Amino acid sequence: AQSVTQLDSQVPVFEEAPVELRCNYSSSVSVYLFWYVQYPNQGLQLLLKYLSGSTLVKGINGFEAEFNKSQTSFHLRKPSVHISDTAEYFCAVSARGGGADGLTFGKGTHLIIQP
Amino acid sequence: DAGVIQSPRHEVTEMGQEVTLRCKPISGHNSLFWYRQTMMRGLELLIYFNNNVPIDDSGMPEDRFSAKMPNASFSTLKIQPSEPRDSAVYFCASSLRLDAQYFGPGTRLTVL
Repeated sequence: AQSVTQLDSQVPVFEEAPVELRCNYSSSVSVYLFWYVQYPNQGLQLLLKYLSGSTLVKGINGFEAEFNKSQTSFHLRKPSVHISDTAEYFCAVSARGGGADGLTFGKGTHLIIQP
Repeated sequence: DAGVIQSPRHEVTEMGQEVTLRCKPISGHNSLFWYRQTMMRGLELLIYFNNNVPIDDSGMPEDRFSAKMPNASFSTLKIQPSEPRDSAVYFCASSLRLDAQYFGPGTRLTVL
């Protein structure tokens, strides 16, 4: 079984500042990793995914994440945030790929952008 | 291309009534997932199908919940009878092989 820990339930950041949202996972097997964003009263939108290959993954809206196997982490970063980035961010893990297994989600991190 | 479609978007019902949630996956996707989101428990996998066959329903809370996928383009999640603790947002997601899952907009269920 897998588990995901998002260490921060809320992260306040000033507009145009950089941000890092932390995600650590636990698994006895190799994993596939995902970040999703949820805007108020909407569904989950895929930000980026790590399936294999380069450990630095670039996604939509200027976000990127780095897979670190030794630290079992998959932190999400953005160099300069905008008001429109205010949302809930979820890290998720799958043992056998997105289509072959259910996702295990973290509790989410609420990113609050302050003007 | 159309994304995952869910209906209804909102459902308000009284305790004891039957509720049916519907999902149309992305065309060509061969896996379909039902999740539930609550403040207390976050996002939980309820059941998933691969090529219309249920693979893992261990997340279904109890016998009041059932799900079907009669063909590649349609799935239902039924709750009978419904209870107030079933109030949540229910998401459907679809995927192709090892790629990511793509989520629908969700159905917000309120059981009074």
